Amino acid sequence: GAVVSQHPSRVICKSGTSVKIECRSLDFQATTMFWYRQFPKQSLMLMATSNEGSKATYEQGVEKDKFLINHASLTLSTLTVTSAHPEDSSFYICSARDVAWYQETQYFGPGTRLLVL
Amino acid sequence: ELKVEQNPLFLSMQEGKNYTIYCNYSTTSDRLYWYRQDPGKSLESLFVLLSNGAVKQEGRLMASLDTKARLSTLHITAAVHDLSATYFCAVDQPAGGTSYGKLTFGQGTILTVHP
Repeated sequence: GAVVSQHPSRVICKSGTSVKIECRSLDFQATTMFWYRQFPKQSLMLMATSNEGSKATYEQGVEKDKFLINHASLTLSTLTVTSAHPEDSSFYICSARDVAWYQETQYFGPGTRLLVL
Repeated sequence: ELKVEQNPLFLSMQEGKNYTIYCNYSTTSDRLYWYRQDPGKSLESLFVLLSNGAVKQEGRLMASLDTKARLSTLHITAAVHDLSATYFCAVDQPAGGTSYGKLTFGQGTILTVHP
């Protein structure tokens, strides 16, 4: 079945540094990918929609200058957390939609756990 | 603004018992998903429900969708310990929208199955 990968799986960084997270669709093309954030014991919140070849669309309250998204190809989207601070520590999960055969299944990556010290 | 509410949020079950998790949503949509999340893990897709009256079953889990009532249910039959996890429903953009794939999640239901 369709698989979405993320790299790295976990990262620890110092406050003020930038962290890049990659999201890849491994056996299907995804013109649109989505980035979610999940704080401990909470639900997932959509941060932004990543569109191949165009600018990302951010949800209300998400700083686009802090969370840079680049969708460079049909199988790769990256999320860069710039000047990370402890409050950015969270579980970041990407997803991609496989629209083949009208199944409309949304596949989630394994997630990236970010800890900012 | 689309709101998705699950209940119960916590469910403690005995093995062998049946129970239902409910997912209500606030605006029209004909696309609803159920996911399972194990501690520290990402989401595993369980069901994709794409039309009113859709019913899908996999093992001890059965999901249904009533778009008129804006309600989906996840029914657990004869629960076993391996079903212990957090279950999320998620609703896609309102019907007729062009931004499908943007999911709004319920709060999640933490299911614990005891021997």
